[in-house]
Amino acid sequence: DVKVTQSSRYLVKRTGEKVFLECVQDMDHENMFWYRQDPGLGLRLIYFSYDVKMKEKGDIPEGYSVSREKKERFSLILESASTNQTSMYLCATRTFDRIPYEQYFGPGTRLTVT
Amino acid sequence: SQKIEQNSEALNIQEGKTATLTCNYTNYSPAYLQWYRQDPGRGPVFLLLIRENEKEKRKERLKVTFDTTLKQSLFHITASQPADSATYLCALITGTASKLTFGTGTRLQVTL
Repeated sequence: DVKVTQSSRYLVKRTGEKVFLECVQDMDHENMFWYRQDPGLGLRLIYFSYDVKMKEKGDIPEGYSVSREKKERFSLILESASTNQTSMYLCATRTFDRIPYEQYFGPGTRLTVT
Repeated sequence: SQKIEQNSEALNIQEGKTATLTCNYTNYSPAYLQWYRQDPGRGPVFLLLIRENEKEKRKERLKVTFDTTLKQSLFHITASQPADSATYLCALITGTASKLTFGTGTRLQVTL
């Protein structure tokens, strides 16, 4: 079974803090994704990576950065956390693009910024 | 940009009935459309994919249709059970297949 793990299930941080969210997968998948999920807005793509050291902006990259130094690990960084970044963050992976393009999601990290 | 609409109101149905969820999109037709299930506090889990040239796809009690003329996909669960209660998300894949665009999801509640 594909396993996608995220470093924390719940996280509380203060405004202005630097926040690291880490995602690790054990399936040797090339593609990795970071989403945030908010009520009424659904899942929105922040960044994705299709190879080590490669990254591309998603739909809402502002205020975030990412790092992928190893194939199995994809980190999301909030350089200076703000209250509007309070959200559920979900990591996902996918193997090299082929049908059915199934994405495997981690359990999520609920981040609260106070 | 592509917009996806799913009914934001919860769908409540009785056990044994067929649940039908709708996914409408604007603009161009995607090459593929997926459906995911999400339980509270968990990440989505992939259920089915349907291609633009397929009218219908089935998997056990699940059936998905794809009408590119109406720009709509319907997701059916037959003989629904309380264990089917969850939020169901549709996702569109463009020709590049690099990114998925998700709908906001519809919560299904199946009662006894």
